[in-house]
Amino acid sequence: SQQGEEDPQALSIQEGENATMNCSYKTSINNLQWYRQNSGRGLVHLILIRSNEREKHSGRLRVTLDTSKKSSSLLITASRAADTASYFCATDASGYALNFGKGTSLLVTP
Amino acid sequence: GAVVSQHPSRVICKSGTSVKIECRSLDFQATTMFWYRQFPKQSLMLMATSNEGSKATYEQGVEKDKFLINHASLTLSTLTVTSAHPEDSSFYICSARGRTATYEQYFGPGTRLTVT
Repeated sequence: SQQGEEDPQALSIQEGENATMNCSYKTSINNLQWYRQNSGRGLVHLILIRSNEREKHSGRLRVTLDTSKKSSSLLITASRAADTASYFCATDASGYALNFGKGTSLLVTP
Repeated sequence: GAVVSQHPSRVICKSGTSVKIECRSLDFQATTMFWYRQFPKQSLMLMATSNEGSKATYEQGVEKDKFLINHASLTLSTLTVTSAHPEDSSFYICSARGRTATYEQYFGPGTRLTVT
């Protein structure tokens, strides 16, 4: 069953602006991962944050994790048109399958 | 990084026929493979988990006789959609995990199935 819930469902910004997406989940997790999916394509793994980590950076991406609130955020700084895609959080609670959220559709306009 | 391939990338079939989708780990041994289904503008839903050499574990609501999964080797898993119906039209994505401690899954590029 789906566990992650992303917020907002859709986000439209201009190039250069920052984009923030949030994810909430319901049960304890081993780690939380963020993925990007371009329309009709496969998933691209962006970043994994473990349950004992609070923040992680990768290039223009910044992910935070608050296990007490069961929430995570993905920040994309200085967005580009190429960042236009759907972004999903996925929780790993068992070390096996991932539970995906409903996703945030990001549109970055030039 | 680890690469997972899927074949075919797109397939169109007629109602009542069966379609086989292959998922291969190209540069690592996949002890566990997962099959997901994604309907348009929706998220990925786990269909089943398969471990090499054993029967797949299906999620609730997924018909095991309709979606046959075989994980015969450490690099190949197949999903066969039997007696396909238009409502089976979807994007099917596999992922694979190896014997690592990173918990990462490596996703295939997906297969777009259209049943006419």
